[in-house]
Amino acid sequence: AQKVTQAQTEISVVEKEDVTLDCVYETRDTTYYLFWYKQPPSGELVFLIRRNSFDEQNEISGRYSWNFQKSTSSFNFTITASQVVDSAVYFCALSTPPDGANSKLTFGKGITLSVRP
Amino acid sequence: NAGVMQNPRHLVRRRGQEARLRCSPMKGHSHVYWYRQLPEEGLKFMVYLQKENIIDESGMPKERFSAEFPKEGPSILRIQQVVRGDSAAYFCASSPSAIQYFGPGTRLLVL
Repeated sequence: AQKVTQAQTEISVVEKEDVTLDCVYETRDTTYYLFWYKQPPSGELVFLIRRNSFDEQNEISGRYSWNFQKSTSSFNFTITASQVVDSAVYFCALSTPPDGANSKLTFGKGITLSVRP
Repeated sequence: NAGVMQNPRHLVRRRGQEARLRCSPMKGHSHVYWYRQLPEEGLKFMVYLQKENIIDESGMPKERFSAEFPKEGPSILRIQQVVRGDSAAYFCASSPSAIQYFGPGTRLLVL
C-alpha cells in the first residue's frame, strides 16, 4: 500500500525567510511518481512538480526547489525568500501506475504555510 | 485552453436529497479523477474514469455514490440520499497522461 506522510501540519515564517516542507513516502513499487500541489486560500489545487522514481536530480524553479532522496524516501520542497503569496496548503502526493502513467494519487494531509509580512 | 471546469461551485442539500456534481475535463484530456477533501484532511481518491468506462473505483463508498463519464458531456458524480458526513469539497482532475490538473472543486454542504 502507498502512504505519504507530511509530519509538519502548520508552519509560520516571516517574509523572506527560507522554508522547507517535508514529505516522506512509502511504496513497494520500484516505479512511481511524486508530486507537489499548492492549495491557496481560494481553494483550487495548483500543480507544482512531478518527479519519477528514476530521476533523483534535484530541481529548481525560481524560488522553489525540490530534493528527492530515494535512500530516505523523501521528497522535500524548499521555498527560498518566502513571500506572502506563498501562504497556502501544500500537498505531497504519490502515484504508482500499474502501466503507463495514469493512476490515482495518494495525498499527504498537507502542510499549512503562513508567511507573515 | 480552458482549465478543468466544475459546477456548481457550491451546493447545499438537505439530508436525503440527491447531489449531482459535474466536471468538464480540459480539452483533449480523456482521463477523469474524482477526489474528496474532508475538513482538516487531505484529498482522498474516489474514482478514475475514461470515456464510458470506470477504470478504478476503489475509493468509492459502496452505497449511494456513483460516477459516470459519458461519451458526450461532462463527468457526473452522483450522491444519493445525502447525509451530513457527505459535506466536503469534491475535486475533479483531468489528465492527458501522467499529470493531473484539478478543477476548482464543488463545496457540498448537507444541512
